[in-house]
Amino acid sequence: SYVLTQPPSVSVAPGQTARIACAGDNIGSKNVHWYHQKPGQAPVLVVYADRDRPSGIPERFSGSNSGNTATLTISRVEAGDEADYYCQVWHSSDHRVFGGGTKLTVL
Amino acid sequence: EVQLVQSGAEVKKPGESLKISCEGSGYKFTHYWIAWVRQMPGKGLEWMGIIYPGDSDTRYSLSFQGQVSISVDKSIDTAYLQWSSLKASDTAMYFCARLTTTTSPFDPWGQGTLVTVSS
Repeated sequence: SYVLTQPPSVSVAPGQTARIACAGDNIGSKNVHWYHQKPGQAPVLVVYADRDRPSGIPERFSGSNSGNTATLTISRVEAGDEADYYCQVWHSSDHRVFGGGTKLTVL
Repeated sequence: EVQLVQSGAEVKKPGESLKISCEGSGYKFTHYWIAWVRQMPGKGLEWMGIIYPGDSDTRYSLSFQGQVSISVDKSIDTAYLQWSSLKASDTAMYFCARLTTTTSPFDPWGQGTLVTVSS
């Protein structure tokens, strides 16, 4: 089965840049989607197809994907960005795989 | 506005059956897939399966095949997730979400239904 690996936690000071990695075998050949989930809420799509943003998502959120690692970058981090972040891909055999999630803490 | 509204929280005993729902609005329900995703307490997201309301084409994650049943009533724009015999390990939050195609992202999501199974 296909596995996506994320760091359990990332910490960043307000105004700095947060980078959350998502590692998978040849993930650069797949479309990666990113979600954030605040406590007690449903997940929200923040980046899709590696680097596109849904309407309403700030330009501070961006994505990249190459080789074996996809990365979600959040610029000028704000306290409101504190959440769990999940990467997700579609793998063959109709498997929709999620990473284990990364807790972003804003110091 | 596209919305998915799920049924309310449930408390059940082991061995009981349960059917939870997800009603779509603000779009053509039969033209988009609906997915179900599990989140166990304090854990991450797990895809369970998807259904296409237009023709009821249904696909399950290997992890959930045979454990749950996904169905739809397109006359009322509602998808369902069903258990015939609940276990304590089914205690979790369950989300539905919309997909444009089978490979597109999950967007938007329902608000979630908390299922608690306890004797």
